[in-house]
Amino acid sequence: SQQGEEDPQALSIQEGENATMNCSYKTSINNLQWYRQNSGRGLVHLILIRSNEREKHSGRLRVTLDTSKKSSSLLITASRAADTASYFCATDNNDMRFGAGTRLTVKP
Amino acid sequence: EAGVVQSPRYKIIEKKQPVAFWCNPISGHNTLYWYLQNLGQGPELLIRYENEEAVDDSQLPKDRFSAERLKGVDSTLKIQPAELGDSAVYLCASSLRGGGNEQFFGPGTRLTVL
Repeated sequence: SQQGEEDPQALSIQEGENATMNCSYKTSINNLQWYRQNSGRGLVHLILIRSNEREKHSGRLRVTLDTSKKSSSLLITASRAADTASYFCATDNNDMRFGAGTRLTVKP
Repeated sequence: EAGVVQSPRYKIIEKKQPVAFWCNPISGHNTLYWYLQNLGQGPELLIRYENEEAVDDSQLPKDRFSAERLKGVDSTLKIQPAELGDSAVYLCASSLRGGGNEQFFGPGTRLTVL
């Protein structure tokens, strides 16, 4: 069963624009992770945010976590065509549960 | 450093046939995961191993699926007999230890059941 639920399901933007993806979940968590999956490839870990953290940055990525609302967001700034991929949030409560993902398309 | 290795990459079988997938995790990673991923969906956990012990297999359909991780390193996932609905990508991942660590995923095995 999947816990995280990403929104939107699909997002199409122009290169250079920012992309924001949201994740909602249902139960308490130890941490939340974001992964990227290029077409036909395995998943690649992007960032992990712990339940006692509110915001985390990694390069052009910014992740926020609101445990009171059981939600997280992933912001990709200054997007590039190479950012085109599916993005998944995964909640970690001693086991990992992935959402259905957001399909991001960045047009050159 | 080599990543997670999976084989085969693709497998086509007829329904009711058996099939097996193999995974070699990153050296030193105690935790190994098997996931199933349907098209357009996120991975769904089938089983998690800590060393050679299966610590979470609640999502594994035990009537036809089985897994083992002998010696706490390589792992195999087997389906017998396969059904049409088993067509999916089977992903293997490993991490240093269960919770709180990033998982490293293999490229997956794409199974097609005809």
